[in-house]
Amino acid sequence: SAVISQKPSRDICQRGTSLTIQCQVDSQVTMMFWYRQQPGQSLTLIATANQGSEATYESGFVIDKFPISRPNLTFSTLTVSNMSPEDSSIYLCSVAGITEAFFGQGTRLTVV
Amino acid sequence: GENVEQHPSTLSVQEGDSAVIKCTYSDSASNYFPWYKQELGKRPQLIIDIRSNVGEKKDQRIAVTLNKTAKHFSLHITETQPEDSAVYFCAASVVQGAQKLVFGQGTRLTINP
Repeated sequence: SAVISQKPSRDICQRGTSLTIQCQVDSQVTMMFWYRQQPGQSLTLIATANQGSEATYESGFVIDKFPISRPNLTFSTLTVSNMSPEDSSIYLCSVAGITEAFFGQGTRLTVV
Repeated sequence: GENVEQHPSTLSVQEGDSAVIKCTYSDSASNYFPWYKQELGKRPQLIIDIRSNVGEKKDQRIAVTLNKTAKHFSLHITETQPEDSAVYFCAASVVQGAQKLVFGQGTRLTINP
C-alpha cells in the first residue's frame, strides 16, 4: 500500500490568485495522478505527472491553468492558477500500486 | 475515450436488505474495474475490484460481477448496515492496472435503520 499526504487540507482563496497543492508519497512511484472532484460530483482526472518529463493533461485541462511539477519519484505539486469561483473543488492526488489506486486526503479549495 | 455511466444516483434501502449499483462502460479495451466508497469529507477507499479475466468476485458482504460482452459491471451489497451509508463510485481503466481511472457519477446509498 501507499501512504499519501497532501497539503494544505483546505484553503479559501481570493479570485485571481494561485494555490499550489503538495503531494508526498511514502514510496517511489513512476506516475502520480491529479483528480478534481467538484461539489457533489465524481472524480475527473486532470493530468498524469511523470518524473523527468512534462505532465500529460486530459481533455479540458491545460498546463497554463494547472501547472504540475514532479521533481522526484515521491513528490508532486499541482498549481491552480488565476482562480475563479468555478475552481472551487476538492483536488486529490493519487498513485497506482500493482493492484489498486490510492488517494490522498484531498485539498478542499474554496474561491471567493 | 472511456465513458462510465452509473445508476442509480441515489439509493435508499432498509437495513438488512441488499443494494445493487450498476455501471456501464464504453471502451471494450478497459480491463480493470474498481469500486470506491467515499464517506463525507474523506478520501475514496477501494472496497472491491475486478479484472476483465474474471466474471465475479466476492468479499464477505460485497460482490462485483462483470459482463464483458454487455460492457457492464455491478456492485452487490448484502445484509446492509448503517455504516454502509456513503457515496459509491465505480471506475474503469484502459491502462495497465489502476492507472488513469475514469469514474462513474456516483451513487449516494442510504441505509435506513
